[in-house]
Amino acid sequence: RKEVEQDPGPFNVPEGATVAFNCTYSNSASQSFFWYRQDCRKEPKLLMSVYSSGNEDGRFTAQLNRASQYISLLIRDSKLSDSATYLCVVNGVNGGSQGNLIFGKGTKLSVKP
Amino acid sequence: DVKVTQSSRYLVKRTGEKVFLECVQDMDHENMFWYRQDPGLGLRLIYFSYDVKMKEKGDIPEGYSVSREKKERFSLILESASTNQTSMYLCASRLSRDVNYGYTFGSGTRLTVV
Repeated sequence: RKEVEQDPGPFNVPEGATVAFNCTYSNSASQSFFWYRQDCRKEPKLLMSVYSSGNEDGRFTAQLNRASQYISLLIRDSKLSDSATYLCVVNGVNGGSQGNLIFGKGTKLSVKP
Repeated sequence: DVKVTQSSRYLVKRTGEKVFLECVQDMDHENMFWYRQDPGLGLRLIYFSYDVKMKEKGDIPEGYSVSREKKERFSLILESASTNQTSMYLCASRLSRDVNYGYTFGSGTRLTVV
């Protein structure tokens, strides 16, 4: 099982739609979780951290399910500017990756007018 | 905000050349990282450094080396560039090894080896 797995998409949604991405991680000992956003040909940028109790930032809601080892990102009222690739990120706990962040390959979102 | 600056946005080099990619961060971060990103393969860790003079191999260190003589600067060196090293190279930094801190990335260097 890969350390961090995401559906690559693309998710094609109309403006105003609600869209959700899931991500699974392999190591139950992971402690920190993030969502990053990456625009085409740009660097990844931190979107939000994911806390155990779930957290919200405007139209974005992140949830963590430790029992099932998955993280979700919900985007409400999608905007054209939300079009990007969303990377699920988890801290590594094994060997050389311990303490470093492990990045999923990303889920591509395209919001259409 | 932390700024991570990569010296070149685009670079074209010839096979066999020695290539230096420079990365500088301005917020006294301890940890620095070099990744490459290729379509379908995601971000792959090349080397990282937890502090000055320290360096550790990542997942794909072959053909690369690094230097961290000063805390703010982390250099990636391609000893003898090859066409399979054509890629987007991303530098990142983090305040410390505390797992609650995320990474801040530079804007990337798109390297083409011909």
